[in-house]
Amino acid sequence: QVQLQESDPGLVKPSQTLSLTCTVSGGSISSGRYYWTWVRQPAGKGLEWIGRIFTTGTTNYNPSLRSRVSISMDASRNQFSLKFSSVTAADTAVYYCAREYYYEFDFWGQGRLVTVSS
Amino acid sequence: DIVMTQSPDSLAVSLGERATISCKSSQSVLYTSNNKNYLAWYQQRPGQPPKLLISWASTRDSDVPDRFSGSGSGTDFTLTINSLQAEDVALYYCQQYFAFPYSFGQGTKLEIK
Repeated sequence: QVQLQESDPGLVKPSQTLSLTCTVSGGSISSGRYYWTWVRQPAGKGLEWIGRIFTTGTTNYNPSLRSRVSISMDASRNQFSLKFSSVTAADTAVYYCAREYYYEFDFWGQGRLVTVSS
Repeated sequence: DIVMTQSPDSLAVSLGERATISCKSSQSVLYTSNNKNYLAWYQQRPGQPPKLLISWASTRDSDVPDRFSGSGSGTDFTLTINSLQAEDVALYYCQQYFAFPYSFGQGTKLEIK
């Protein structure tokens, strides 16, 4: 069974860069069958797709966030990461990592609350 | 961007009754070359990540009870939950994967009456 776990970035200050890592167990992120995805959910609000990365390093991003987001992967550690620059309070949310298989988000991490505050 | 709009925002249904949630997309998510609707439904219980219920508008995921069903095509879709159970209390989201950026509806909160 595949499991995903988001890291804890702690408190992030406005204008800083938010960094999150998703550790995958029970399967290899190098398998050329899946995309590895980030989704966020502000408190009491809906889900927003941030972007994804494929085994080859190919990425796709939400254009509304594209200028501030970078997703990368470290196959040796079976991890993929999100960097979100110039954060504001509006970026406070639960951040989820997920596996996408043929358009389906079939496995999710439990989510990590990231608070942006001075 | 494709905007997904769900209705209602919240819904209270008695145990054993039927719940119906609507989802409309701002443009068609039907890919005519394969006649597939690029739409999924997710359930999110309190404090949990979303869980895939239905993909391709009407295909139930393997461990999803058959009281959940999806229907619709093009721009109008419906999630139906028959014989509502207490464990069905959750937020429900539709999501399109027809075009980037993937987008979700605002969610429908389902409660027991």
